[in-house]
Amino acid sequence: GENVEQHPSTLSVQEGDSAVIKCTYSDSASNYFPWYKQELGKRPQLIIDIRSNVGEKKDQRIAVTLNKTAKHFSLHITETQPEDSAVYFCAAPSYGGSQGNLIFGKGTKLSVKP
Amino acid sequence: GAGVSQSPSNKVTEKGKDVELRCDPISGHTALYWYRQSLGQGLEFLIYFQGNSAPDKSGLPSDRFSAERTGGSVSTLTIQRTQQEDSAVYLCASSTRQGAGGELFFGEGSRLTVL
Repeated sequence: GENVEQHPSTLSVQEGDSAVIKCTYSDSASNYFPWYKQELGKRPQLIIDIRSNVGEKKDQRIAVTLNKTAKHFSLHITETQPEDSAVYFCAAPSYGGSQGNLIFGKGTKLSVKP
Repeated sequence: GAGVSQSPSNKVTEKGKDVELRCDPISGHTALYWYRQSLGQGLEFLIYFQGNSAPDKSGLPSDRFSAERTGGSVSTLTIQRTQQEDSAVYLCASSTRQGAGGELFFGEGSRLTVL
């Protein structure tokens, strides 16, 4: 089965700076990699995902990059704002490809200081 | 309907008692997942239902945990003889897609406290 490692566990940045969160996965057959954001006391919500036929995907201030050879993918947030403060989770399919359930990383608590 | 609905939102119980947690997924979503989130921790997979297929129970931590999904819709997670280490937020999610390739829509969760 899949194993997902996420770093760092906590990240503090100044407003306007960039933030990068990295994840590694173990199953080379995995081909779907989502990122979820969980604000304090709220439910996790999908913010961006990437499939293995592309190396990078952008959506306004957030982007995700994927390196299949190295089996890692990263979340990049530019021009951070206080409302970006939350816990971010990466995930990968449990049985490779896009099958089974999602295995989540342990999360990164991002704090953006005004 | 609206989003994924879970009940109760909060449950306090005594050690050794049984509890049932309910999840009502978004109408038409064939996939349903249960995850557990302990304080300050990540999302721990428990069980996954997909259509009429046999559920994937590989994440259930012990035989005290069980879940069913009736009629392909509502799901109930049952914890028997609760222990203090069972205290956590239990999150349910549903999805339209088979497998792990689609967006998961989470409920607000059921916070379980075992005294």
